[in-house]
Amino acid sequence: RKEVEQDPGPFNVPEGATVAFNCTYSNSASQSFFWYRQDCRKEPKLLMSVYSSGNEDGRFTAQLNRASQYISLLIRDSKLSDSATYLCVVKDSNYQLIWGAGTKLIIKP
Amino acid sequence: IAGITQAPTSQILAAGRRMTLRCTQDMRHNAMYWYRQDLGLGLRLIHYSNTAGTTGKGEVPDGYSVSRANTDDFPLTLASAVPSQTSVYFCASSEWMGQGYEQYFGPGTRLTVT
Repeated sequence: RKEVEQDPGPFNVPEGATVAFNCTYSNSASQSFFWYRQDCRKEPKLLMSVYSSGNEDGRFTAQLNRASQYISLLIRDSKLSDSATYLCVVKDSNYQLIWGAGTKLIIKP
Repeated sequence: IAGITQAPTSQILAAGRRMTLRCTQDMRHNAMYWYRQDLGLGLRLIHYSNTAGTTGKGEVPDGYSVSRANTDDFPLTLASAVPSQTSVYFCASSEWMGQGYEQYFGPGTRLTVT
């Protein structure tokens, strides 16, 4: 089993819709969680950190479920510019990041 | 310079040749990292450096070496390139290596080993 698993997609979603995807992790001792965004042939950029209580940043909501060992990302009122690959990242006890392979999102007009 | 720069942007390299990928940051970050990204796989850590003068091995260090002579530069060397090292290489940095510190990435180097 991979340490961090994501559905590769692609998720094809009409503009304005709400989309959500999950990411599961295997190490129950993991303490820090992140969502990064990567545009085609570009470098990853931090989208948001994921806190135990959940957090929201505009149209984006991230949640952590420690019992089931997954994190989720919800995007409301999706825009064409949201098309990208979303990378789930978990920081292990050695402070190293373990990366999921990413979920590709395509927003269609 | 603003952020992290990498050079070259892309390279085609014959197998067996030696190659150094350059990475420079101007944010005075203590920690730096080298990742490779392959299709269908997450980014995998090759080597890291907690601070100038120290380096450590990541998940896939074989065939690669790094040095950290100063805060700003973190070159990655392939001593004798093999086709399996064809990949996109990203350099990253963070203020520290502890929990909660964001990593900033360079634009990447696309390397093809033939």
